[in-house]
Amino acid sequence: GNSVTQMEGPVTLSEEAFLTINCTYTATGYPSLFWYVQYPGEGLQLLLKATKADDKGSNKGFEATYRKETTSFHLEKGSVQVSDSAVYFCALVPPSNTGKLIFGQGTTLQVKP
Amino acid sequence: DVKVTQSSRYLVKRTGEKVFLECVQDMDHENMFWYRQDPGLGLRLIYFSYDVKMKEKGDIPEGYSVSREKKERFSLILESASTNQTSMYLCASFSGRPQNIQYFGAGTRLSVL
Repeated sequence: GNSVTQMEGPVTLSEEAFLTINCTYTATGYPSLFWYVQYPGEGLQLLLKATKADDKGSNKGFEATYRKETTSFHLEKGSVQVSDSAVYFCALVPPSNTGKLIFGQGTTLQVKP
Repeated sequence: DVKVTQSSRYLVKRTGEKVFLECVQDMDHENMFWYRQDPGLGLRLIYFSYDVKMKEKGDIPEGYSVSREKKERFSLILESASTNQTSMYLCASFSGRPQNIQYFGAGTRLSVL
């Protein structure tokens, strides 16, 4: 079946540190891959996405590359800010395209000044 | 911009009450979803709908029902609220191809006393 595995949190970093949040997936065919972010007290917002192998999604300084060979979609940012503190969810939509998202468990990021 | 609006940010209800959570989207999307989010369990799909009057059970439908009488509105119903239904509830609508994006509402935090 389809599944998404994220690194466990919480992740605590100092401001301007480099961020990596690992995400691997299991799926048949070529799913679309997503990172969503949830700020405290809010719903989920799309952060970035990639729809085919080797695509790189990017937004707000965050990047992730769709790696078919390693079934991974790791989230990276070169220099985090306190305002990046949030919960990050990796997710996939299977090729069947009903739109049903398969989520990872979420990774809490806390950035300290 | 796509807008998904959930009618309440916070609700407090009594055990045994019938509870309605309303969600409206303004982009003529066909597919809509209800999730609940709990600490340590991530997001779990309750129900989804792929057209007016069409619905499918998600992973945890027990104790819930849904209604989709109009395309823009998808309601989640707790027939007889119980304390274990205290949670954050998130509604989403799906853009379909080619974007394949789910757009989320801000969430309703429900407390059942």
